[in-house]
Amino acid sequence: GAGVSQSPSNKVTEKGKDVELRCDPISGHTALYWYRQSLGQGLEFLIYFQGNSAPDKSGLPSDRFSAERTGGSVSTLTIQRTQQEDSAVYLCASSSVYGYTFGSGTRLTVV
Amino acid sequence: GQQLNQSPQSMFIQEGEDVSMNCTSSSIFNTWLWYKQDPGEGPVLLIALYKAGELTSNGRLTAQFGITRKDSFLNISASIPSDVGIYFCAGRVNNAGNMLTFGGGTRLMVKP
Repeated sequence: GAGVSQSPSNKVTEKGKDVELRCDPISGHTALYWYRQSLGQGLEFLIYFQGNSAPDKSGLPSDRFSAERTGGSVSTLTIQRTQQEDSAVYLCASSSVYGYTFGSGTRLTVV
Repeated sequence: GQQLNQSPQSMFIQEGEDVSMNCTSSSIFNTWLWYKQDPGEGPVLLIALYKAGELTSNGRLTAQFGITRKDSFLNISASIPSDVGIYFCAGRVNNAGNMLTFGGGTRLMVKP
């Protein structure tokens, strides 16, 4: 597509449940990033995929967080046993050499 | 790790006023980028800077890449209500792939 597509746009889940967030990057962009933005805060790096290389997982806050990218395209961010502090907007971006294009994010609320 | 300090954290200004915000870093970046985020949307690229000392304009926006490569500023002239949003600086070092480090954001509010 023309832009980065994220789904769902909003997700409310109960504490302890698992959630999956999806990102469809711009076709042809080899790099894909996940960031987390808590209310009123900046962007916290989570994970980075570049082509077929092993992902940079250095930003994942705990082992409850994982992500995969299938076929070098679509990515799924999974949060297991969600906690209230996981509530945030999860932003995905794909990039060319000139910079990132962000999706509109998934707003996750853990109740 | 690298950190970007962005200031001010928020600004509440009158329509028509000029705005200035900046980012500083303890380490060098090879590229500086400025993004704007509207409510409910992802950040959108406004200006990209690739050379130390570079001064670039995009309409009412002007940004500069500091000569030390450790800072950048963004100016908005004659602000209008649609300038409301959160502005983020971001820096990149060439040996980190395409990875960006983001500042904490400046929330701009414009009073008509």
